[in-house]
Amino acid sequence: EAQVTQNPRYLITVTGKKLTVTCSQNMNHEYMSWYRQDPGLGLRQIYYSMNVEVTDKGDVPEGYKVSRKEKRNFPLILESPSPNQTSLYFCASSLSGRIGNTIYFGEGSWLTVV
Amino acid sequence: GENVEQHPSTLSVQEGDSAVIKCTYSDSASNYFPWYKQELGKRPQLIIDIRSNVGEKKDQRIAVTLNKTAKHFSLHITETQPEDSAVYFCAASFTGGGNKLTFGTGTQLKVEL
Repeated sequence: EAQVTQNPRYLITVTGKKLTVTCSQNMNHEYMSWYRQDPGLGLRQIYYSMNVEVTDKGDVPEGYKVSRKEKRNFPLILESPSPNQTSLYFCASSLSGRIGNTIYFGEGSWLTVV
Repeated sequence: GENVEQHPSTLSVQEGDSAVIKCTYSDSASNYFPWYKQELGKRPQLIIDIRSNVGEKKDQRIAVTLNKTAKHFSLHITETQPEDSAVYFCAASFTGGGNKLTFGTGTQLKVEL
């Protein structure tokens, strides 16, 4: 089954404690990205990757890092989480970075930073 | 900058009535406009999309219209049913960032019996 898998799905952590949200897709997609969803703001892109070893900032990259060492994985790293990073996070992938390719979303990761 | 505005933020209709959600975008170069439905606690699901070379597209009870001159597009749901209740997001592509979408702020649709 084609899917985008995120872990953890739910996490409560403390300010400053480094955490990683993993994302894996099994569709051999080139393009992967991370969005965060906040009430009244919709979904905003954090980082994206056009292919292995190619990453770039989205609209709200501050406080986040990513890496793309393998095609299937695109982890989101919060080096020093702060309460304003409390949000619902979605990983997404598409066949390529060409506009209009169907985007597949993961199930979401609820992150609370206290 | 890249911007998508969506209205209304909440919409309540009676079962069987039609619902219309409207969006405007800022970049005249945008050429791809998908709509997503998000049920509570779940991921966004693509329900319909339209490209800039098309003015209207239908899929059963759902239709999307695009006015490139005015830079706005709309989602129309006819014969609404309770299972249509969800949050709906419009989105638009912008140049740069690969297959990046900029989303509207969402419309909470409630279909009442």
